[in-house]
Formats: sequence, C-alpha cells, structure tokens
Amino acid sequence: GQQLNQSPQSMFIQEGEDVSMNCTSSSIFNTWLWYKQDPGEGPVLLIALYKAGELTSNGRLTAQFGTTRKDSFLNISASIPSDVGIYFCAGQLSFGNEKLTFGTGTRLTIIP
Amino acid sequence: NAGVTQTPKFQVLKTGQSMTLQCAQDMNHEYMSWYRQDPGMGLRLIHYSVGAGITDQGEVPNGYNVSRSTTEDFPLRLLSAAPSQTSVYFCASSRLAGKVSEQFFGPGTRLTVL
Repeated sequence: GQQLNQSPQSMFIQEGEDVSMNCTSSSIFNTWLWYKQDPGEGPVLLIALYKAGELTSNGRLTAQFGTTRKDSFLNISASIPSDVGIYFCAGQLSFGNEKLTFGTGTRLTIIP
Repeated sequence: NAGVTQTPKFQVLKTGQSMTLQCAQDMNHEYMSWYRQDPGMGLRLIHYSVGAGITDQGEVPNGYNVSRSTTEDFPLRLLSAAPSQTSVYFCASSRLAGKVSEQFFGPGTRLTVL
C-alpha cells in the first residue's frame, strides 16, 4: 500500500529550539493533515491544509501545503516539554474519499 | 461528549482465539474507521464505514471483519488471531460533510497475540 515518507524519523532537541519536519509522496493529495500522538493515546489533529501553497498556523505550529501537492512541512517554534510525542502527516487523495494515508511518524524528544 | 471510546485498552490472546474490539462514538459521525499501528509503519487502514450498513476494506483487511449496525458503533472482529496481528488498534470517526478529513481518534487497544 501507499505510504508517505516522513523525515526525520526522530529528533533530539533542547527546549527552546525550533523544529522542522516534512512529508513527501509520489501521489498528489488534495488535503494534508498533521497529527500529534502522545504516549498511550490516539493521534490528535493539529493542522489541516486544503490548498496547494497554503500556510497555516496553530500557536507555535506552522504547516505548509507544498505547491506540487506532493509534500507538506511542519515547523514548531520555541519547543517546550509538552511538544514531546510522535508527529504524523496524513494525506487525503480527494474530497469525498475519507481514507487517509499516514506517514511513518517523527518522534520528537526534548533533552533536558 | 465522550468522543470516540474503545474497549478493551489491553488484550492478550493466544493464536487461534477470536475476539471483538469495541468502538463507539457519540458525535453522530457518519464515517468510522479502524487503523493498526506498528513500529515504524505509521497507521494503516483496516476497514472503514460511511454509514450504518455500509463497510469497505482498507489497506490491510485480511484477518479482520467489521459490521456497522448503528451510527454509533463499529466493532472490529478477529476471527482467528495470529501473532502478526499483535499491534495497537485505533478507531476513528468524522463527519461526511464539509472538511471531512478531521478524524477524531480513540485512545487505542493494545493487542498481543502469543
């Protein structure tokens, strides 16, 4: 089945640093989503992107829908301890087709 | 609003046993789905449903059955468990109108098959 390539697989950063991660696909998606998963919990939606080139922010998080529609980027500014977790990108092929394809995840760890 | 609930939270089975993972949502969402999460693999879609009485296969349906008799419930059945089905299972739901990709996930069921 199709999977999205997400990088990096893991990140070890210090509190206060900025974080960047990205997701690429061989297919065009009409929607890109970014989820965060805390340990022992289900993923929670952070940001949804619906248009190529769109840049959307949610607090310290900013995500972009790539202009080719085959990639997306997530940035976290001034990281704090509660940012720890696994971040997943997900793509939706077309409106009305609810199936999501998920990336393999980026595990973020903050070094004290 | 409880959102999406899943039971049990943990389960250990022996090879060949059967069981049903329960999923319920109280948001009147039309769309419900089951994913499995394995290390390094992200989430993979098992089965999904767009409404009561309608189900379809996802990416990895083999070994799993589903039914949707009500809007609220979407159980996942393992008829004969195999070690390859050891995984964390997530149920999700969303509306079918508007920006429908905003799926809400349950807390997961961690299944071990010995």
